[in-house]
Amino acid sequence: GAGVSQSPSNKVTEKGKDVELRCDPISGHTALYWYRQSLGQGLEFLIYFQGNSAPDKSGLPSDRFSAERTGGSVSTLTIQRTQQEDSAVYLCASSLVTSSYNEQFFGPGTRLTVL
Amino acid sequence: AQKITQTQPGMFVQEKEAVTLDCTYDTSDQSYGLFWYKQPSSGEMIFLIYQGSYDEQNATEGRYSLNFQKARKSANLVISASQLGDSAMYFCAMREGWGDYKLSFGAGTTVTVRA
Repeated sequence: GAGVSQSPSNKVTEKGKDVELRCDPISGHTALYWYRQSLGQGLEFLIYFQGNSAPDKSGLPSDRFSAERTGGSVSTLTIQRTQQEDSAVYLCASSLVTSSYNEQFFGPGTRLTVL
Repeated sequence: AQKITQTQPGMFVQEKEAVTLDCTYDTSDQSYGLFWYKQPSSGEMIFLIYQGSYDEQNATEGRYSLNFQKARKSANLVISASQLGDSAMYFCAMREGWGDYKLSFGAGTTVTVRA
């Protein structure tokens, strides 16, 4: 079956512009996560959605970042007024929360470059 | 404070030898889970192995095993019989608490397997 997909794979934008990054999770997965990986760094949690519960936004670095998940499936991460420090790879993951370990399956990521 | 610490930025290992990647963690929760992910140069995150805090035996998955020392709060990954395809970045990650599924990642260790 299809894995997690993300689009676009690459995005180059100018400082100050808004960008939208899309994530299609694995069908049936109830949890969806966004992480950010800066050059040479580990992954930084941004936000996660679990079923119909309110999303955990505790990792969003500023109010310029927001995300939504429509119909319990596709998610969009929006960055407003992009800054150069927003340049990173944005990874989406999904999981089926039925097992104790809740393995997360990752997408290929969107590489964002802010000029 | 860092929740996950990986002290080895890079390691070299000879093909067919074993390599141990260090990971220490910090949590006050009794229920937590520890994960290892592999990230090849292509960028995708590949789940390798999981250890739950209540698991009494060390986890094993093929050539991967996890040396879990709860009192020391360490969860080292052992890769046996290294192969050239094992060359990648390896991340240790932790899920804390029950019902909270987001992961905290370490900075990663780059492994290069030499022929």
